[in-house]
Amino acid sequence: DTEVTQTPKHLVMGMTNKKSLKCEQHMGHRAMYWYKQKAKKPPELMFVYSYEKLSINESVPSRFSPECPNSSLLNLHLHALQPEDSALYLCASSQRPFLGTDTQYFGPGTRLTVL
Amino acid sequence: EDQVTQSPEALRLQEGESSSLNCSYTVSGLRGLFWYRQDPGKGPEFLFTLYSAGEEKEKERLKATLTKKESFLHITAPKPEDSATYLCAVGDTDKLIFGTGTRLQVFP
Repeated sequence: DTEVTQTPKHLVMGMTNKKSLKCEQHMGHRAMYWYKQKAKKPPELMFVYSYEKLSINESVPSRFSPECPNSSLLNLHLHALQPEDSALYLCASSQRPFLGTDTQYFGPGTRLTVL
Repeated sequence: EDQVTQSPEALRLQEGESSSLNCSYTVSGLRGLFWYRQDPGKGPEFLFTLYSAGEEKEKERLKATLTKKESFLHITAPKPEDSATYLCAVGDTDKLIFGTGTRLQVFP
């Protein structure tokens, strides 16, 4: 089983709202990722967690706040977003921290619209 | 700088018309090359991982091959359900470097 689940599937929020995206995997993977994908573009890496510790932050604005409560869960807290933050947000996981070789498995994504 | 280029950008095929998608890369040291399929509005679905030149992997109508400078995704006798965007990515030290994808449309 290589399933990564994400909730919600769709989210519409105003610029003053606070919301959270949730990602879950039960494959025993020790690395988890957040990506942002705009239409007709490839996914862009935002954050990487390895063994529940933040290992990579790709200079993401502070209005995005990741959290890894345990090895199976990954959250992305959203606050004061801008309309240009509207995108498909993808979660992924890999068995080990990514050193270029481990396959990353993606979830179905959350379609975020910021009004 | 590591770079991944996919061609063509878009491809229209008649059902049953076989073809190949190309992924060329320039990286300092290839660790892994990954193929994904992505349907509109959904997350990428893993297809293949290749690690060394000469390696080949197959799954149903798809076959992925790898040389020292590029990878090909061969689609044999495609069906309309094969329509999707196919993404190639190369494993760098700590992240995936994606190409911009090939949008494939297969018509009955």
